[in-house]
Amino acid sequence: QVQLVQSGAEVKKPGASVKVSCKASGYTLTSYSISWVRQAPGQGLEWMGWVSTYSDNTNSAQKFQGRVTMTTDTSTSTAYMELRSLRSDDTAIYYCARDRDSFGLDSWGQGTLVTVSP
Amino acid sequence: QSVLTQPPSASGTPGQRVTISCSGSGSNIGSNAVNWYQQLPGTAPKLLIYSTNQRPSGVPDRFSGSKSVTSASLAISGLLSEDEAGYYCAAWDDSLNGLLFGGGTKLTVL
Repeated sequence: QVQLVQSGAEVKKPGASVKVSCKASGYTLTSYSISWVRQAPGQGLEWMGWVSTYSDNTNSAQKFQGRVTMTTDTSTSTAYMELRSLRSDDTAIYYCARDRDSFGLDSWGQGTLVTVSP
Repeated sequence: QSVLTQPPSASGTPGQRVTISCSGSGSNIGSNAVNWYQQLPGTAPKLLIYSTNQRPSGVPDRFSGSKSVTSASLAISGLLSEDEAGYYCAAWDDSLNGLLFGGGTKLTVL
């Protein structure tokens, strides 16, 4: 079955960077894009961007442009999201999800908690 | 503040039918499909409705979606206690060139 397994929780200082991984199994990674979505404590879902897993083209939400990098490693079926210049309001659970366009984000990782604290 | 507007809360008793609305604009709901996600407490979101009114395999037919011009709705019939969760609408926005989520609706089963 389709499964996305993410890396473990991270604690970072303000100004640092974090890189979250998302390993896909049960399907061919290059068949669909991967979207990244985050959720701050007690808040709603926020789309960060997507990466095309066969071309490495990316599209990120305007508020993250210049600060986020999304990549894939097809040899290990793993997608990565790196967020730089972390601030306290970047504290959130970060999710990866298989993106099937109008068919929706149909499989999600378990989430990675990133805490930004001095 | 989300561009897709949902009521922050909704409630119903077991067996009732509840509807959750999602209001957008011509550049998002008016032009593109709407998807709905269910998020049970402490878990990752799950796709509930795709392409406005389609259910993924395994989603009960108690859940249905619809759209009219720039608004969408999620209806849940025969409400169960296990339906208590957060519900989010989502649609691509052509002007922003990005995916938008509604602010989410917390459904309470009384």
